[in-house]
Amino acid sequence: DAGVIQSPRHEVTEMGQEVTLRCKPISGHDYLFWYRQTMMRGLELLIYFNNNVPIDDSGMPEDRFSAKMPNASFSTLKIQPSEPRDSAVYFCASSFLHSYEQYFGPGTRLTVT
Amino acid sequence: AQSVAQPEDQVNVAEGNPLTVKCTYSVSGNPYLFWYVQYPNRGLQFLLKYITGDNLVKGSYGFEAEFNKSQTSFHLKKPSALVSDSALYFCAVRDVTGGYQKVTFGTGTKLQDIP
Repeated sequence: DAGVIQSPRHEVTEMGQEVTLRCKPISGHDYLFWYRQTMMRGLELLIYFNNNVPIDDSGMPEDRFSAKMPNASFSTLKIQPSEPRDSAVYFCASSFLHSYEQYFGPGTRLTVT
Repeated sequence: AQSVAQPEDQVNVAEGNPLTVKCTYSVSGNPYLFWYVQYPNRGLQFLLKYITGDNLVKGSYGFEAEFNKSQTSFHLKKPSALVSDSALYFCAVRDVTGGYQKVTFGTGTKLQDIP
């Protein structure tokens, strides 16, 4: 298995632009998580899905952030409009119901100027 | 609320020496505990977990962790450190109040090899 796939690996954009991050979970996994990692705040859970349904989005910073999972093999995290404080590494992870451990993608490093 | 604490931002260890990375937890029920490792510019990788059973859990790359209920600790250990063990280590606990799969991560401990 290729593991969790994220694209792009790096994104540089200007403040006010829309940013879309993409994730393909491991086949057969029924949970998908979006995290954000910064030096100041560490690793934060933004939202997670179970069987494509959002379960907990309490970590989403504000309305500028949105996430979707249209099918079992694809999810997006969108920021519109982006701000410099959104600069971070965004990770997608997936897991299987009975295994508990999560498998992380390589991350997308977002820089908003 | 569930939480984990990693009291050390950094641990220095010489190659060949034993290493310990500390973690304490707080949960309302039975804890599900995890250790992950993050190498530079990479995602987190699962090392090991404690769900139930033996208090000593063995994981990847020769790591092990000991669950201690009385001390609410889950320290990560390795008998003999390698240079390649230099990385960021995260302890995590499953948050039962947040739903079946929500996990709370600690702040991370950087393991640094001393030449």
